[in-house]
Amino acid sequence: DADVTQTPRNRITKTGKRIMLECSQTKGHDRMYWYRQDPGLGLRLIYYSFDVKDINKGEISDGYSVSRQAQAKFSLSLESAIPNQTALYFCATSDLSGRRDFGPGTRLTVL
Amino acid sequence: DQQVKQNSPSLSVQEGRISILNCDYTNSMFDYFLWYKKYPAEGPTFLISISSIKDKNEDGRFTVFLNKSAKHLSLHIVPSQPGDSAVYFCAASIPGNQFYFGTGTSLTVIP
Repeated sequence: DADVTQTPRNRITKTGKRIMLECSQTKGHDRMYWYRQDPGLGLRLIYYSFDVKDINKGEISDGYSVSRQAQAKFSLSLESAIPNQTALYFCATSDLSGRRDFGPGTRLTVL
Repeated sequence: DQQVKQNSPSLSVQEGRISILNCDYTNSMFDYFLWYKKYPAEGPTFLISISSIKDKNEDGRFTVFLNKSAKHLSLHIVPSQPGDSAVYFCAASIPGNQFYFGTGTSLTVIP
């Protein structure tokens, strides 16, 4: 089945460390997204990419960076992790309809 | 500013009864509305959608209603089943693919 995968699924790290979350997809979608979920705040967009040469900031991009290595791969980096970046992170893809297909998520804890 | 709001963080319903989840929005430019379902330790999965040119869309036990004058969206689940227990997110999009998610409602269906 065409799918969206994320690695790692869980990560505990310390303040100041650099962290990379990876996303791969076999759906053949050009559009990829990174979202963050916090209790009471829903899903908020961090970054998105409509193709390999296109990177756009979302509503909460500060403290994050991304890399679109290929159509199928979109990585999210926390350059210097801080405790308020503790959250669930979801990668998503979409076709032209815009409907998001989400990965299983990464639970990140920053101590 | 939250453009899509789910004012009920949680809802409990008896098995076999109707579950009604509500969502309000502020942007009259939204033209496509969706509901996602999320189980613990999984990513959100698409459930049902509706275009702004319609006021109702039905898929099995799930029906979405759109009241554009009230800027209100609702999801009806009839009959509710224990497997429907999950967090439900509504989402709305404007032309150009920008999506906005609500904060989620946790539904518990009591056997």
